[in-house]
Amino acid sequence: EAAVTQSPRNKVTVTGGNVTLSCRQTNSHNYMYWYRQDTGHGLRLIHYSYGAGNLQIGDVPDGYKATRTTQEDFFLLLELASPSQTSLYFCASRRTGSIERLFFGHGTKLSVL
Amino acid sequence: GQQVKQSSPSLTVQEGGISILNCDYENDMFDYFAWYKKYPDNSPTLLISVRSNVDKREDGRLTVFLNKSGKHFSLHITASQPEDTAVYLCAAGLMATGGNNKLTFGQGTVLSVIP
Repeated sequence: EAAVTQSPRNKVTVTGGNVTLSCRQTNSHNYMYWYRQDTGHGLRLIHYSYGAGNLQIGDVPDGYKATRTTQEDFFLLLELASPSQTSLYFCASRRTGSIERLFFGHGTKLSVL
Repeated sequence: GQQVKQSSPSLTVQEGGISILNCDYENDMFDYFAWYKKYPDNSPTLLISVRSNVDKREDGRLTVFLNKSGKHFSLHITASQPEDTAVYLCAAGLMATGGNNKLTFGQGTVLSVIP
C-alpha cells in the first residue's frame, strides 16, 4: 500500500500568517498533487508536480505557492493566509501511467482565524 | 466552471437495495473515469475505474457504466449495506502529453444506507 504522509495534521493560524503544509511519499511516484476539500465543492486541485523541480498550476491556485524539492517531498505555501483558505487539504501521489489511481494522505485541517 | 458534476448531494437507500450514483462531465477529451469513497475523517480511496475504451466494468457489487456520447458515468452498488454509507466522489481526467495530467473531482454525493 502506497504511503503518503502529511504534516501537520491540524494547524491554526491568523489572517496574514505564513503557513507551510508538508507532504512526503515513499512510493517512488512521479506525480504529486495538492487538493482542498470544502463542503459543496468536493476536491479541488490547487497545484501539482510530475517531478522534482516541476510545478503545474491547478484549478484554484490563487493565494497558494508550491514547491517540489525532491521526488518525495511536496510543499504547499500560504504566505498571507486568509479565512477563505480554511479547509481540509489533501496531498496525493500516483505513478506514471495510472492517472486514475491516486493515493491520498490523511489530510491537514487548516483554520485561518 | 465545474468540469465534473454530481448533481445529487445526497442519496438514501434501504439496505439490500441498489444505490445509483451519477456523474456528468464537460470535457469530451476525458478518457479516464473513477469513483472514490471517503469515510468521515479519512482520506479518499479508489473504488473502481474505467478507461474510455469500455462502457461497463464490474467488480463484485460495483458496476461503472460509461456513456461517452452523453458525457455521463454512473456507479451502481447492488445489495447495499450500511457500511457503504460514505461520501462518493466521481473523477475524470485525460492522459495528456507533457506531464499535464490531472484528475478533476465532482462535488461528492453522501450515500446513506439505512437498515
